Amino acid sequence: DVVMTQSPLSLPVTLGQPASISCRSSQSLVYSDGNTYLNWFQQRPGQSPRRLIYKVSNRDSGVPDRFSGSGSGTDFTLKISRVEAEDVGVYYCMQGTHWPPITFGQGTRLEIK
Amino acid sequence: QVQLVESGGGLVKPGGSLRLSCAASGFTFSDYYMSWIRQAPGKGLEWVSYISSSGSTIYYADSVKGRFTISRDNAKNSLYLQMNSLRAEDTAVYYCARGGGYDSLDYWGQGTLVTVSS
Repeated sequence: DVVMTQSPLSLPVTLGQPASISCRSSQSLVYSDGNTYLNWFQQRPGQSPRRLIYKVSNRDSGVPDRFSGSGSGTDFTLKISRVEAEDVGVYYCMQGTHWPPITFGQGTRLEIK
Repeated sequence: QVQLVESGGGLVKPGGSLRLSCAASGFTFSDYYMSWIRQAPGKGLEWVSYISSSGSTIYYADSVKGRFTISRDNAKNSLYLQMNSLRAEDTAVYYCARGGGYDSLDYWGQGTLVTVSS
């Protein structure tokens, strides 16, 4: 199974400042069709997960452009350009290339300093 | 708009059974793969099971294989998860989500809590 490792696991950020979350996979996530199926999810307190980013860097509809995804192969990053209060929650990366099973990172808890 | 509504959770004793349902609306259910994902209290996300649009292809996580059965009724726009031989470690919020692997899991339900305890 592909292991997804996120860092940091806890991320205190000042409002208006940038934030960055790293996700590494135990093997390359490039699929035979040339796509890389690395997705990012946000889970606000008390809510269901919501997909933010798919295929490394594509924002879902309604996701603010302060969120961006990047990376390739085994190293990926989710960046928030300027953190807002509504961004508090847990962020998960997920790989959908080598499945089953679909695997998630451990989650990164973003909080406001 | 896409809506997924889970039901059927509750308190069950170890070794017991429970059947979860997920009612889908706002999209053509029969065109989409579907999955169940769970989240133990205070923990991360764990994929549980997947079913193809026709129901012909099914996958399970090793942790539930042989105990859980996923199914769907496209005429009723519904997804199911039959859970047998439940264990304390199955205690979690269970979410249904649209899609399987690749770039899916684009919509999630609100979840239903399953508690396995004597």
